[in-house]
Amino acid sequence: GENVEQHPSTLSVQEGDSAVIKCTYSDSASNYFPWYKQELGKRPQLIIDIRSNVGEKKDQRIAVTLNKTAKHFSLHITETQPEDSAVYFCAASKNTGNQFYFGTGTSLTVIP
Amino acid sequence: NAGVTQTPKFQVLKTGQSMTLQCAQDMNHEYMSWYRQDPGMGLRLIHYSVGAGITDQGEVPNGYNVSRSTTEDFPLRLLSAAPSQTSVYFCASSYRDSQPQHFGDGTRLSIL
Repeated sequence: GENVEQHPSTLSVQEGDSAVIKCTYSDSASNYFPWYKQELGKRPQLIIDIRSNVGEKKDQRIAVTLNKTAKHFSLHITETQPEDSAVYFCAASKNTGNQFYFGTGTSLTVIP
Repeated sequence: NAGVTQTPKFQVLKTGQSMTLQCAQDMNHEYMSWYRQDPGMGLRLIHYSVGAGITDQGEVPNGYNVSRSTTEDFPLRLLSAAPSQTSVYFCASSYRDSQPQHFGDGTRLSIL
């Protein structure tokens, strides 16, 4: 099966700085890579996703890049704000019945 | 639309008891999944379904059963609860393969 690794497990940045979270995957057939944000005690919520036919996608302060050859993808948050503090999860899936494999999460703290 | 609804929100069981976690969605999604979330381990797939009458095992299926008699409902059954099943359980649904998953609010389950 798929193995998704996520780094770092914790990340602290000053407000206004950028944050980068990296994930690698093992199955070259994976073709869909979503990122979720989870606040304490809440459900995971999708913040951005990317498909294997695209190398980069941006939505305001959030961007995701994908390198299929190296099998890694990254989340970039610019101009961080205290409300960006949360746990972020990457995931990978392929067209086999919607099986998603998640990374172990990154706890991001934005210091005001 | 209510989205994905999980009940109960909290539950305490004794070892050996059985129970059913309920999950319902009103988005007419074909695909539904159950995950468990444990500290430091991200979300792990327990069982998933690609449509009414079709279910399959995920990464960690032992000790759990599912059924999918309707498109809307996807209950998760714990057959004989064990302390190792103490976790937060999330149900999710999506329209089809490689589409964003929508999560419920979770069920926090403690087994004594």
